[in-house]
Amino acid sequence: GAVVSQHPSWVICKSGTSVKIECRSLDFQATTMFWYRQFPKQSLMLMATSNEGSKATYEQGVEKDKFLINHASLTLSTLTVTSAHPEDSSFYICSAGTSGRGGETQYFGPGTRLLVL
Amino acid sequence: AQKVTQAQTEISVVEKEDVTLDCVYETRDTTYYLFWYKQPPSGELVFLIRRNSFDEQNEISGRYSWNFQKSTSSFNFTITASQVVDSAVYFCALSEAYNTDKLIFGTGTRLQVFP
Repeated sequence: GAVVSQHPSWVICKSGTSVKIECRSLDFQATTMFWYRQFPKQSLMLMATSNEGSKATYEQGVEKDKFLINHASLTLSTLTVTSAHPEDSSFYICSAGTSGRGGETQYFGPGTRLLVL
Repeated sequence: AQKVTQAQTEISVVEKEDVTLDCVYETRDTTYYLFWYKQPPSGELVFLIRRNSFDEQNEISGRYSWNFQKSTSSFNFTITASQVVDSAVYFCALSEAYNTDKLIFGTGTRLQVFP
């Protein structure tokens, strides 16, 4: 149980295009989903927290208009990198939690590697 | 402020050696949760353990064991008889207890197990 999928696993795009990444909880309902960014050999940086049916909460320094997050259902959240630039190239990972009440285990997706040319 | 420190950036061992990965945390909360995750080269984070602040019992799961010491704010992870498949980056993380499942990650420890 507790499987989270991400699609696509790899994406290469031209500068200026937008890229959408999907995160799905396959066998449970995710009240809360999280989006992280990880640079090579670094830790995970939380970008935003999304709750089903409400606006995402972004961490300080993360541009809301650049990284659009939609959490349309209890099993799906999407991250759209708008007008991507080479500096947006990174490993994006989503995770899903079941309660939002604190302390619950987060289950992570396999990640999406984005390369912007 | 909450913080997780993994002072060991990289550790290299030879197969069958035991290895301990250190994790020290800071929090003002009396209720909190600690986690360990494994990130193999494929990139996906694999959940290993969750421990709440009221449970200081050590835990053993096969070759893995965890030592939680509130007195020293540490939650160390030991792999016994390491194997090449244990090679990965291991992250310790701390979660606030109320209203959120937000995780605060340490910087990770890269473990390389050589045959």
